[in-house]
Amino acid sequence: AQSVTQLGSHVSVSEGALVLLRCNYSSSVPPYLFWYVQYPNQGLQLLLKYTSAATLVKGINGFEAEFKKSETSFHLTKPSAHMSDAAEYFCAVSDGGGSNYKLTFGKGTLLTVNP
Amino acid sequence: DAGVIQSPRHEVTEMGQEVTLRCKPISGHDYLFWYRQTMMRGLELLIYFNNNVPIDDSGMPEDRFSAKMPNASFSTLKIQPSEPRDSAVYFCASSLLGTGGTEAFFGQGTRLTVV
Repeated sequence: AQSVTQLGSHVSVSEGALVLLRCNYSSSVPPYLFWYVQYPNQGLQLLLKYTSAATLVKGINGFEAEFKKSETSFHLTKPSAHMSDAAEYFCAVSDGGGSNYKLTFGKGTLLTVNP
Repeated sequence: DAGVIQSPRHEVTEMGQEVTLRCKPISGHDYLFWYRQTMMRGLELLIYFNNNVPIDDSGMPEDRFSAKMPNASFSTLKIQPSEPRDSAVYFCASSLLGTGGTEAFFGQGTRLTVV
């Protein structure tokens, strides 16, 4: 069974500071990994995805994530936080197909950006 | 494409009433997912379909919940009878297997309040 653990349900940073949101996964097969963002009263929007190509993945809005198989991690980073980055972020894992494909989400991390 | 379309956006109903949530996936997508989001449980996968066939409904909380996908462009999630603990935001998502990562596209969600 696949699962995702997001460390820290709430992260607070100052504007301009580094953003680091942590995600560890468990999967019995090589995983596909995703980060989604949810703004208030909206659906989830894909930030970036890892699909077994480059281990460093760049996404929208200046975010990137690095797949580390030895650590079973897929942490999300952004060098400099903007006020507009305040939202909830979800890490997700997929087995990538076959006859039993599904996407499993972590509990989410709420990012607050202080002026 | 207009994206995944859900209706209604908001629904308030009395306990014991039947509630039907509707979803139109992105044209051409062959996977459709129903998720429920609450503060306590986060994002839970309720059921997903592949080519209109239910594949995994293990997340459906109980027999009061049912989902159908009569054709490739329409799905419903029905709760009968509804209870206050069913209050949540329900998301529909669709994806196309084979896009190298099976990214899921989410609708705006239906906020259900059962009083």
